[in-house]
Amino acid sequence: DAGVIQSPRHEVTEMGQEVTLRCKPISGHDYLFWYRQTMMRGLELLIYFNNNVPIDDSGMPEDRFSAKMPNASFSTLKIQPSEPRDSAVYFCASSLARTGEAFFGQGTRLTVV
Amino acid sequence: DAKTTQPPSMDCAEGRAANLPCNHSTISGNEYVYWYRQIHSQGPQYIIHGLKNNETNEMASLIITEDRKSSTLILPHATLRDTAVYYCIVRGASGGSYIPTFGRGTSLIVHP
Repeated sequence: DAGVIQSPRHEVTEMGQEVTLRCKPISGHDYLFWYRQTMMRGLELLIYFNNNVPIDDSGMPEDRFSAKMPNASFSTLKIQPSEPRDSAVYFCASSLARTGEAFFGQGTRLTVV
Repeated sequence: DAKTTQPPSMDCAEGRAANLPCNHSTISGNEYVYWYRQIHSQGPQYIIHGLKNNETNEMASLIITEDRKSSTLILPHATLRDTAVYYCIVRGASGGSYIPTFGRGTSLIVHP
């Protein structure tokens, strides 16, 4: 397996624009996590899914953020409208509940100007 | 609100053992200790985990104290490529504590 795949790797956008980040989890994994990492706040969980169903989105900072998982092999994190303070590295991770080991993607570095 | 405490930074000479401590005094009986590391500009990478017995794999060894209130990750022969931030986290087998929650970790610098 190629591991967790995120796209794009880098995104630069203007304030107010819509941004969509994508994630393909490892095949067979039933948990998917979205994290955001900044120098100020470290690595923080935004939302996670179990069997494609959102379980806890309490980490999503505002209504501007939304996440979907339409099927077991794809998830998106959308920010609309984007703001400069959303600039961060966004990570997606997947795992099997049974083993608990989480595998992370390479991340998407988002810059909002 | 991570359940673990780690020193913010450590350094180690190349070729020597790196011993990274972690305190988890509030760990419950069904919670595991996991270690991850994050090399600059990459996603966190799983290293090892354990419940109460010591564990060893190709990357590292994990020593858990008998009372399970602390643990030590050992990199037996550190290399420059082991320079990274190391996270110790506590996770249950199910429920809310299953969620991997990361603190600030320990920044390990391996020097020549």
